[in-house]
Amino acid sequence: DTEVTQTPKHLVMGMTNKKSLKCEQHMGHRAMYWYKQKAKKPPELMFVYSYEKLSINESVPSRFSPECPNSSLLNLHLHALQPEDSALYLCASSQGTSGSSNEQFFGPGTRLTVL
Amino acid sequence: AQSVTQLDSHVSVSEGTPVLLRCNYSSSYSPSLFWYVQHPNKGLQLLLKYTSAATLVKGINGFEAEFKKSETSFHLTKPSAHMSDAAEYFCVVRKAAGNKLTFGGGTRVLVKP
Repeated sequence: DTEVTQTPKHLVMGMTNKKSLKCEQHMGHRAMYWYKQKAKKPPELMFVYSYEKLSINESVPSRFSPECPNSSLLNLHLHALQPEDSALYLCASSQGTSGSSNEQFFGPGTRLTVL
Repeated sequence: AQSVTQLDSHVSVSEGTPVLLRCNYSSSYSPSLFWYVQHPNKGLQLLLKYTSAATLVKGINGFEAEFKKSETSFHLTKPSAHMSDAAEYFCVVRKAAGNKLTFGGGTRVLVKP
């Protein structure tokens, strides 16, 4: 299995809702990432998990809460989001975070709309 | 600090003609460089990578890129464009610490029949 899966594909939520995005990989990778991509822009890194521990938080607002229950799963919990948080949320994984060949494999993304 | 500049935001080519996507990078050390492609409403797919081995890198779907240190460039080429090549292309430089990626602004490729 050489893919990263994300669910749901689409999500519409109100500003008072709580929802979660899910990401899964079965490649044995030990690093996982969350990115946010606005329309016609490149992805922006949000969080990095390495060996199930949060190693990088790019100053993301606390209404986004990541969680890594095990080495194959990565969640992003959403609460009290704003309309400007509407975007494509991409998950990625890599073998690790050091070394010269740690290319990241991306999932198809979750298209989030906040009303 | 490192950065990536994609010199063209849009490129339009006819099917069967060559494609050239230009990328310049800035890095204080020997970089790892990547090209990713993103089809509409899809995730990113790795086309090819440079990690200080051969300077001419071959990727998937007939794409290749040449690393030129003297010009700090990593341009992507394909000899003959196909309709399925219509997509957004990102040139990316990797920072070793934390495996952080810095993306260029992207180049949207339009392929005309």
